[in-house]
Amino acid sequence: DVKVTQSSRYLVKRTGEKVFLECVQDMDHENMFWYRQDPGLGLRLIYFSYDVKMKEKGDIPEGYSVSREKKERFSLILESASTNQTSMYLCASTSDLTYEQYFGPGTRLTVT
Amino acid sequence: EDKVVQSPLSLVVHEGDTVTLNCSYEVTNFRSLLWYKQEKKAPTFLFMLTSSGIEKKSGRLSSILDKKELFSILNITATQTGDSAVYLCAVEAYGQNFVFGPGTRLSVLP
Repeated sequence: DVKVTQSSRYLVKRTGEKVFLECVQDMDHENMFWYRQDPGLGLRLIYFSYDVKMKEKGDIPEGYSVSREKKERFSLILESASTNQTSMYLCASTSDLTYEQYFGPGTRLTVT
Repeated sequence: EDKVVQSPLSLVVHEGDTVTLNCSYEVTNFRSLLWYKQEKKAPTFLFMLTSSGIEKKSGRLSSILDKKELFSILNITATQTGDSAVYLCAVEAYGQNFVFGPGTRLSVLP
């Protein structure tokens, strides 16, 4: 049973704080993704990674960075959180064989 | 426990066929239901449904939500090989997080 876990379900941070969102998958998947989901919009891709230490910008990378030091772990970093980064953040992983994405439960981040 | 069930899990059709994909859900404080098409790496947003009985349409794709019976369907008419993909259904609940279904893998043969 594939499991993608995210470090927090809910998070409240202040403007200007540095925020770390962690994602861990246990299926030895090569590819990992970070999305945000906002009301009325679909999933928007922030960053993705095809391999350890590799990262690619998605559609909305501004204000975010990522880190993938180990295959199973993909971190999303908000260097200086802003109120417009209040959102639901979803992590996903896939293998190269199937492309089916397995999603984590999401982290609802509020920046005040 | 919140859950989303999709059926069928896999479907093979020929070009020109019409397909109906099903999504049923059990969540508390339902907010919206979303359909995505997944090819290659990242899902493509198709529809977001919040109200019962209102059909959303985009080209050959359409979707409708039944909040009383807790399900949604995604219809694709005159299928093409480019429709081959995994179709994901996800449900968002107020104050809660997303729950994704397992997806339906659609293969459209020439």
